[in-house]
Amino acid sequence: AQKITQTQPGMFVQEKEAVTLDCTYDTSDQSYGLFWYKQPSSGEMIFLIYQGSYDEQNATEGRYSLNFQKARKSANLVISASQLGDSAMYFCAMREGWGGKLIFGQGTELSVKP
Amino acid sequence: DTGVSQDPRHKITKRGQNVTFRCDPISEHNRLYWYRQTLGQGPEFLTYFQNEAQLEKSRLLSDRFSAERPKGSFSTLEIQRTEQGDSAMYLCASRQDPSGGYTFGSGTRLTVV
Repeated sequence: AQKITQTQPGMFVQEKEAVTLDCTYDTSDQSYGLFWYKQPSSGEMIFLIYQGSYDEQNATEGRYSLNFQKARKSANLVISASQLGDSAMYFCAMREGWGGKLIFGQGTELSVKP
Repeated sequence: DTGVSQDPRHKITKRGQNVTFRCDPISEHNRLYWYRQTLGQGPEFLTYFQNEAQLEKSRLLSDRFSAERPKGSFSTLEIQRTEQGDSAMYLCASRQDPSGGYTFGSGTRLTVV
């Protein structure tokens, strides 16, 4: 069965510094997609970045980059130049099968300190 | 298009009552997903539709839960005889198959007292 593991329940980072949020996954599929979402206290899931299993280059979206290491089955999110507004829950997710449902990890709560 | 809308945003109900939630997806999206998220956890898949067909249901979706998507447009999720364990955030997402991204609604927060 497919599984996403986020081992950091909470992380602290100083404003303007970079932070890495860990995500490992388990799948027997050759084709899959990995996502990161941000969920502020309001509850909405905000899409941040996507990495396809066949993408050779790591995905980047503004201050977000995904460190994709396929052999290690890891897809860590790197946030550069942290801002106070980055404080939120962050979820790693994997698209499963033809139906395309997402399997989510447990999340990491990021707190940015001024 | 204003994104995925969910109604109501909050619902407080007494144990044993029935509740119904509504999700309006992005109009051109043919796939619609329901998730449940309890406090401090990641969202858990409940069910999904392709157009009006319900193609997969999770084991989490007990016989007290039913979902519909008539005419492939909006969807409803009904919980009958609510229990305190049903208290959670219910999230809806839509996407355009096969390669579209997922757009989530703001969720419906259910509290069963």
